[in-house]
Amino acid sequence: EPEVTQTPSHQVTQMGQEVILRCVPISNHLYFYWYRQILGQKVEFLVSFYNNEISEKSEIFDDQFSVERPDGSNFTLKIRSTKLEDSAMYFCASSDGTATEKLFFGSGTQLSVL
Amino acid sequence: SQQGEEDPQALSIQEGENATMNCSYKTSINNLQWYRQNSGRGLVHLILIRSNEREKHSGRLRVTLDTSKKSSSLLITASRAADTASYFCATHQAGTALIFGKGTTLSVSS
Repeated sequence: EPEVTQTPSHQVTQMGQEVILRCVPISNHLYFYWYRQILGQKVEFLVSFYNNEISEKSEIFDDQFSVERPDGSNFTLKIRSTKLEDSAMYFCASSDGTATEKLFFGSGTQLSVL
Repeated sequence: SQQGEEDPQALSIQEGENATMNCSYKTSINNLQWYRQNSGRGLVHLILIRSNEREKHSGRLRVTLDTSKKSSSLLITASRAADTASYFCATHQAGTALIFGKGTTLSVSS
């Protein structure tokens, strides 16, 4: 069964450093998302992406965050200058042409900012 | 906010028993979905119910939706140890992203 792939599974970085989290969505999907989950807490929406542009973003997704689809398969989340509070599990998700009908999630990247 | 809120936060039952989780939300929705998350893993879609539907079944899962009360329930019948996970409801409003609640942690002991 097709799946969303995320790399790396764990990322440790120093505060102030830039990180790029990578995702390969399901190949025929058109909508892409990033969510994050701080340990034991709710899953928070960050951003949705369609047709090579951001379609919606939350208040969490400030100027320190950016997303990109650099080629036909990858979808990346960049955090320009990481903060301690950015430590969380980051999930990539994708869906097919029917927006937000059913999301397929990757296994996540655990980001630890020290 | 249209965010769903699950109740209870945690639920512990024995194998074979039924588990019921509830979700309440605040605004009108297009659909409501339930997802499962095993510890340290991504979320897996379980079932979707549209705003014009009242009940839906999938295997041992039964979902109800009451739009007048802005609430939904997920029933897992004849639970198994493998059902141990966190369960999240997520609401979709037209033109917006899927928004998740805080989840219910279900523990099924054998």
